[in-house]
Amino acid sequence: QVQLQESGPGLVKPSQTLSLTCTVSGGSISSGDYYWSWIRQPAGKGLEWIGRIYISGGTNYNPSLKSRVTISLDTSKTQFSLKLSSVTAADTAVYYCARVRRRSGEMDVWGQGTTVTVSS
Amino acid sequence: DIQMTQSPSSLSASVGDRVTITCQASQDIRNYLNWYQQKPGKAPKLLIYDASNLETGVPSRFSGSGSGTDFTFTISSLQPEDIATYYCQQYDNLYTFGQGTKLEIK
Repeated sequence: QVQLQESGPGLVKPSQTLSLTCTVSGGSISSGDYYWSWIRQPAGKGLEWIGRIYISGGTNYNPSLKSRVTISLDTSKTQFSLKLSSVTAADTAVYYCARVRRRSGEMDVWGQGTTVTVSS
Repeated sequence: DIQMTQSPSSLSASVGDRVTITCQASQDIRNYLNWYQQKPGKAPKLLIYDASNLETGVPSRFSGSGSGTDFTFTISSLQPEDIATYYCQQYDNLYTFGQGTKLEIK
């Protein structure tokens, strides 16, 4: 079955760029049936959708983060990545990657999450 | 942007109780709504999609209903393993989550 695994630095300095990668195993990242998304969750708070990418390379982002977010896809490595620029302490959170069924928007497979702390 | 408002934000109930959580959208989202369960330290898990369809493998005590702007999530008979935070999520226009409902055992 499909599994997702996030990876990347656990500590990022303020004003720098947060970079995370999600590796997809057990299935194809090239399937046209899915989007690939990033979601985050500050400690003790709710879920915030960050953005999504499709196999075509087309992207959509949360309007509140759009100016700082870039999501990209590397089909050869079965990975997709998140870059969030100009980070502040408010970007400290658990970051999840997820597979999203394109037809109906449900996030049916999630990574385990990775904690990113923004601090000097 | 579509805003999703869940209520209550927290809920205490006894094993065997019927539990209901509501989710209201700021505009008509048809039936484009999903429900998730999140246990502490874990990723969310999809329970209900398209407002009322049970995800494969999810116990039948979980159910969802509604359309338009008002939606309901129900656990027919609360079990100890159902202690978690529950989120609704719209997908009519990109994605937005509700703020969550934390369910505790009384």
